[in-house]
Order: sequence, then C-alpha cells, then structure tokens
Amino acid sequence: KNQVEQSPQSLIILEGKNCTLQCNYTVSPFSNLRWYKQDTGRGPVSLTIMTFSENTKSNGRYTATLDADTKQSSLHITASQLSDSASYICVVSRHTGTASKLTFGTGTRLQVTL
Amino acid sequence: GAVVSQHPSRVICKSGTSVKIECRSLDFQATTMFWYRQFPKKSLMLMATSNEGSKATYEQGVEKDKFLINHASLTLSTLTVTSAHPEDSSFYICSAGISGSSYEQYFGPGTRLTVT
Repeated sequence: KNQVEQSPQSLIILEGKNCTLQCNYTVSPFSNLRWYKQDTGRGPVSLTIMTFSENTKSNGRYTATLDADTKQSSLHITASQLSDSASYICVVSRHTGTASKLTFGTGTRLQVTL
Repeated sequence: GAVVSQHPSRVICKSGTSVKIECRSLDFQATTMFWYRQFPKKSLMLMATSNEGSKATYEQGVEKDKFLINHASLTLSTLTVTSAHPEDSSFYICSAGISGSSYEQYFGPGTRLTVT
C-alpha cells in the first residue's frame, strides 16, 4: 500500500532553534519527493522537490535530504522564525501509466514560539 | 513563479443549495487540474483529476454527480458542489499542472466551504 508517514505529528520550538522533520514512505514506483509548507487556511507552497538521484537540496533555511534506499526523507529548518509556524507536508509522487499521482503525508504541525 | 488562484476564498451556503468554486492558473496554461478536499488537521485527499476539454476522473468514493467538475479552458476549472449538506463543509484546494511535467503541481490558496 502506498503510504507516507511523518513524524513528529507536532512540534514546538523556540525562535532561533533548529529542527528536523521526518518522512518515511512506501510509495512505488517512486518518481519524486516534495516538501510543502501549508499555513493555516491556505494552500500548500512548495519548498523542495527531489528526484531519485538527489540526496540533499536546500532552499534558504530549509534543507531536505532523501535516502531512496531506506525510503526516508528529512526536512531541516535552520534558525527558525515565528513565520515558520505552519504544517509541513511530505508528498511522494509515483507514475501510474500516463499520469503521476501524489501521496500526501498527514503533516507535521510546527509552532515556533518566543 | 506559477500562480493559481481560487474564488471565493470563503463561502457559506444553506443546505440543499449549490455552490461553485473557481480555480484559475494566472500565468501559465494548465492542461491538468486537480481538486482536493482537506478536513481539519488531516491530509489533502484527491477528489478528481481533470484535463482540459475532457471529462474529469474521479477518485474512488467521490460522487461525480455531487461534485461537478468543468475544465473548459487551459486556465480555468470549476468545482460545483450540488445539493450541499453540512458534511460537505470542508477546505477545498485545487492545483494545476503542466502536461509532460510530473515535477510540479501549483496549489491554489483554498476555499473554505461551510454548509449550514
């Protein structure tokens, strides 16, 4: 069964601290893995997209890693800011014939506090 | 970057009425658009995939006669919730993709539907 599991479910950190979010998947055949940030009441915004051959990709203070062998990914946030408070969703894409389908994780709700 | 808009952002309607939600790709042509719904603290659930000029493909368990999807142009798709009931209250999100590119779907800001 195609699944994406994220941990932790929720996380509270102090402003300025770093954190790492985890994503494990069983999606096959794998096409790519994406991390999205979703603010409350808003649509998801793409942070990174990684293909099979990519191990790490950065976007500002966000760094994603991918281990395609163990089917694990992480999202590291450096020097957190209050505006980082959001849900972070791991999404894995797979090919199904002529289309690609996305499998969404349930997200990690991050709260950054003073 | 690619921008997708949705209208309205919030809508409240009475039970039994129909409501239409628009999804537009503002600066690119979207051959494929996707409609999702999201319940509080839950993940996005794909409802249907629509290609411009053809009938939408609905996911298992999604009633096509209740959730009417029209994708009449490369920049506009609409979702109509017919005979809405309180259990249809949810956050509806569309996304748009470009044919041949499996890399990216651009999400709209979502529409909050409340059925009273």
